[in-house]
Amino acid sequence: KAGVTQTPRYLIKTRGQQVTLSCSPISGHRSVSWYQQTPGQGLQFLFEYFSETQRNKGNFPGRFSGRQFSNSRSEMNVSTLELGDSALYLCASSFGLAGGGWETQYFGPGTRLLVL
Amino acid sequence: GQQLNQSPQSMFIQEGEDVSMNCTSSSIFNTWLWYKQDPGEGPVLLIALYKAGELTSNGRLTAQFGITRKDSFLNISASIPSDVGIYFCAGPDLSGGSNYKLTFGKGTLLTVNP
Repeated sequence: KAGVTQTPRYLIKTRGQQVTLSCSPISGHRSVSWYQQTPGQGLQFLFEYFSETQRNKGNFPGRFSGRQFSNSRSEMNVSTLELGDSALYLCASSFGLAGGGWETQYFGPGTRLLVL
Repeated sequence: GQQLNQSPQSMFIQEGEDVSMNCTSSSIFNTWLWYKQDPGEGPVLLIALYKAGELTSNGRLTAQFGITRKDSFLNISASIPSDVGIYFCAGPDLSGGSNYKLTFGKGTLLTVNP
């Protein structure tokens, strides 16, 4: 089956602009998580959505937001872009029904955002 | 939140050599994960460990869940050029109360010289 897809793959924006990134999970997966990857901070959790609801949130400012649609596709938005927002943004999907256990999350290839 | 200290940061080895890398934490993890990331791609899960003391293999890869639940090790035997990439340890961040919030180590960059 098709893997996690992210669009666009590359994006260049300027400071102060806003950006929207999209993630389509594996068919049947209802949980979508977003991560930011930078050389300095590594991979950091942004938020997780399940059934159109934000279920978990990382320690990022309010400029970072997201949403999930009824077909489980998710978008994340970054407003008032700063130079430090340049990063690889990864999303990961899973069934979302792990309860007290853990289930495999499958990562997409990421969207590389460059802020000038 | 929980933090993972991964070492070494980078390794440059000859094809055929064995590789070891490890991850430590000041707090307990109930699950340890090892991922590999190739250039231009997202991380791919290699091995998942669920129990203290567990030793699990995936081909030439072997990982162990430390007895204290605060560390994990990944070994790669007889390395080949396609082993090149960044290896990450990770675990669900229990301080956040969620198995969907993963904490990652900073990664080990592995270069294999043919």
